[in-house]
Amino acid sequence: QKEVEQNSGPLSVPEGAIASLNCTYSDRGSQSFFWYRQYSGKSPELIMSIYSNGDKEDGRFTAQLNKASQYVSLLIRDSQPSDSATYLCAVNQAGTALIFGKGTTLSVSS
Amino acid sequence: DTGVSQNPRHKITKRGQNVTFRCDPISEHNRLYWYRQTLGQGPEFLTYFQNEAQLEKSRLLSDRFSAERPKGSFSTLEIQRTEQGDSAMYLCASSLALGAEGSPLHFGNGTRLTVT
Repeated sequence: QKEVEQNSGPLSVPEGAIASLNCTYSDRGSQSFFWYRQYSGKSPELIMSIYSNGDKEDGRFTAQLNKASQYVSLLIRDSQPSDSATYLCAVNQAGTALIFGKGTTLSVSS
Repeated sequence: DTGVSQNPRHKITKRGQNVTFRCDPISEHNRLYWYRQTLGQGPEFLTYFQNEAQLEKSRLLSDRFSAERPKGSFSTLEIQRTEQGDSAMYLCASSLALGAEGSPLHFGNGTRLTVT
């Protein structure tokens, strides 16, 4: 059974701080890693994808991947109240279905 | 690109009835996925298609659930003899198969099912 684990939170950070979200996965053959954001009552929307070890930056977001440790993280710099949402980690191998974690709820206070 | 479209947005049904949902993917996407999500949980994989072929189906999926994608375009998900435990948001997503690297999924707005 392929598993993706996330702390459910809530993770609370003040406005302007760095939020750090973590995810571990069980399938060592996983090749593709994604972070989705989901606002309450809405569908997931893609934030970042990462395929190689190391860091990938996109604006205020940085995804980090360590395949040896089976660990992927998302850093949100200069957190804003509008970042308050549930963040879903998703993992797959080529040609297989994307498996999601339960998500971490982030709350940014102004 | 009009996005992934799902109908209906909401469905209320009585236990034991059959329901069918429709998903229209992004037109150039050849992969279509169905997920189910309940409160406080991440999306749970149900099944996916590449073109008209159903390539993977969750082992957790009851045989009351069936999905089709007859012409490789839209898809339907049918639940027979609904149970209260089937109440959830049913999400459809599509993507473009790009070889070794998985391509991101684009989700529709979902169909919320309530079984009374």
